[in-house]
Amino acid sequence: DAKTTQPNSMESNEEEPVHLPCNHSTISGTDYIHWYRQLPSQGPEYVIHGLTSNVNNRMASLAIAEDRKSSTLILHRATLRDAAVYYCILRPLTSGTYKYIFGTGTRLKVLA
Amino acid sequence: ETGVTQTPRHLVMGMTNKKSLKCEQHLGHNAMYWYKQSAKKPLELMFVYNFKEQTENNSVPSRFSPECPNSSHLFLHLHTLQPEDSALYLCASSQTGTSALDEQFFGPGTRLTVL
Repeated sequence: DAKTTQPNSMESNEEEPVHLPCNHSTISGTDYIHWYRQLPSQGPEYVIHGLTSNVNNRMASLAIAEDRKSSTLILHRATLRDAAVYYCILRPLTSGTYKYIFGTGTRLKVLA
Repeated sequence: ETGVTQTPRHLVMGMTNKKSLKCEQHLGHNAMYWYKQSAKKPLELMFVYNFKEQTENNSVPSRFSPECPNSSHLFLHLHTLQPEDSALYLCASSQTGTSALDEQFFGPGTRLTVL
């Protein structure tokens, strides 16, 4: 399974944009890039996913490098509620593969 | 509220006890998962059920015994656990389990302490 690498922790000021990087240099052509986050005392929740093109939804944007070896989750205006551990996960597009392999993620601290 | 509920939220048990964790999803999904989250470790996938059939057992010790009576309910039966089994146990569900586009919905977890 392809592996992802993320910084252990990052800090951001409230109301400012946050760029959370993820390296996945061994990604295969059919791996989707998923992002989840885990708020304190909760289970993980889905944030966004993409394959090749940049993606936007109400929570965040996902910028994918042209060679797909890295991606960046963008929170446009961080709030205190965005303090969480953010996980970048590769999900193979192959039948019968059930696994999400979570790494240690990036712990985002948002400063008021 | 994710549509996935877990009970109990907290559980303390001795090493000789037998207990069960329960998960229920109200989303009409066909795949359900158990994960273990130990302190300072990544989430570890334990079991996967798809249409009530177990499709993944990630080398989990036999003192953990899953049960999936229907697509909406998932249990994790615990017996003769060890202190190192203390962790947050998370249940999740997804529409199919096999699509890369599937989104997993997680419950809040059961915080288990083994004395």
